[in-house]
Amino acid sequence: KQEVTQIPAALSVPEGENLVLNCSFTDSAIYNLQWFRQDPGKGLTSLLLIQSSQREQTSGRLNASLDKSSGRSTLYIAASQPGDSATYLCAASTSGSARQLTFGSGTQLTVLP
Amino acid sequence: DAGVIQSPRHEVTEMGQEVTLRCKPISGHNSLFWYRQTMMRGLELLIYFNNNVPIDDSGMPEDRFSAKMPNASFSTLKIQPSEPRDSAVYFCASSGQETSYEQYFGPGTRLTVT
Repeated sequence: KQEVTQIPAALSVPEGENLVLNCSFTDSAIYNLQWFRQDPGKGLTSLLLIQSSQREQTSGRLNASLDKSSGRSTLYIAASQPGDSATYLCAASTSGSARQLTFGSGTQLTVLP
Repeated sequence: DAGVIQSPRHEVTEMGQEVTLRCKPISGHNSLFWYRQTMMRGLELLIYFNNNVPIDDSGMPEDRFSAKMPNASFSTLKIQPSEPRDSAVYFCASSGQETSYEQYFGPGTRLTVT
């Protein structure tokens, strides 16, 4: 059974700092890995999707990497802003017919102005 | 596309009442997922459908919960009878092959059972 872990549970950084969020998974036979953002009281917004055949994906100030052999993914946020404050969740999908996701418990990020 | 649509956005009901949550997936997506999120347990997958067929309902907490997907554009999650411990945010998500199975979430239904 796939297990996804995110450390740390919470992170506080000053504005402008570059930061890395970590995600680890136990079963390397994943189909893809997805990073989400969740603001308080809101739904989940997909940030980046990395296919199992890819090593990284970039969107603006965000860069996500995937290393299946070590069971790790990282989300790099460049030049952090207070608006980046949110909970970030990673989720690994299986190779089943519907590609269901197993979620980590998230990292709550606070960017201080 | 309008994204995944859920209704109602908020539901307050009394213990013992029936609750029905509704979801419209993104057009063209053939997989639909129901999740529940609480502070204590985080995000839990309740059930998912592929091509309108329930594939895995092992996450459904008990027989009081049921879900249907009568067609490709509509699904319901029903709780009967509801209990205070069912209070949570319920999310619906959909995905499809043409978007590499990236899951898109609806805004959620916040359920409060008193």
